[in-house]
Amino acid sequence: GIQVEQSPPDLILQEGANSTLRCNFSDSVNNLQWFHQNPWGQLINLFYIPSGTKQNGRLSATTVATERYSLLYISSSQTTDSGVYFCAVERGIYNQGGKLIFGQGTELSVKP
Amino acid sequence: DGGITQSPKYLFRKEGQNVTLSCEQNLNHDAMYWYRQDPGQGLRLIYYSQIVNDFQKGDIAEGYSVSREKKESFPLTVTSAQKNPTAFYLCASSIGGSAEQYFGPGTRLTVT
Repeated sequence: GIQVEQSPPDLILQEGANSTLRCNFSDSVNNLQWFHQNPWGQLINLFYIPSGTKQNGRLSATTVATERYSLLYISSSQTTDSGVYFCAVERGIYNQGGKLIFGQGTELSVKP
Repeated sequence: DGGITQSPKYLFRKEGQNVTLSCEQNLNHDAMYWYRQDPGQGLRLIYYSQIVNDFQKGDIAEGYSVSREKKESFPLTVTSAQKNPTAFYLCASSIGGSAEQYFGPGTRLTVT
């Protein structure tokens, strides 16, 4: 099956710093999503980005499908950005039914 | 308010008992999914359903069962055959396969 690797596994930042999270995947994809899991376990949708670049406030994401990676940029980090960031992909072959394969996550801690 | 609800938030059961987790959505989505998350791990797919009265096994279906009698509801039963049922269970839905998935708040199941 498709492999999804996220890096780094852990990241500690000072408030106001910028960061880049990476997601590598081993096969073509139909779907790629970035999520933020808050301390209560809720998965919050950040981006649906199987290809291209998107921005939403201080967050932006880029997926280069031909090179099989995606990047999540967080600028001017805030303590509320703390939590685990997941990348999830759906393999790019017919009728996968939306089966998302998750990476292991990047745990981000932003210090005041 | 449109969204996905899961109940209960916390559930405690004795070993050997079956337990059913509820998932309801009012987003008019066709596809629904159940994932399991273990501590420090990403999510893994248990079952998914692309349409009413139809569902398929995911990567870790053993010891679980589902039904999809109504579009808005996709209950998951954790049977006594599941060897390690203690976990965080998340339900998701999407318009269809390969579309963006949205997650409910989750149910934390503890079996002793």
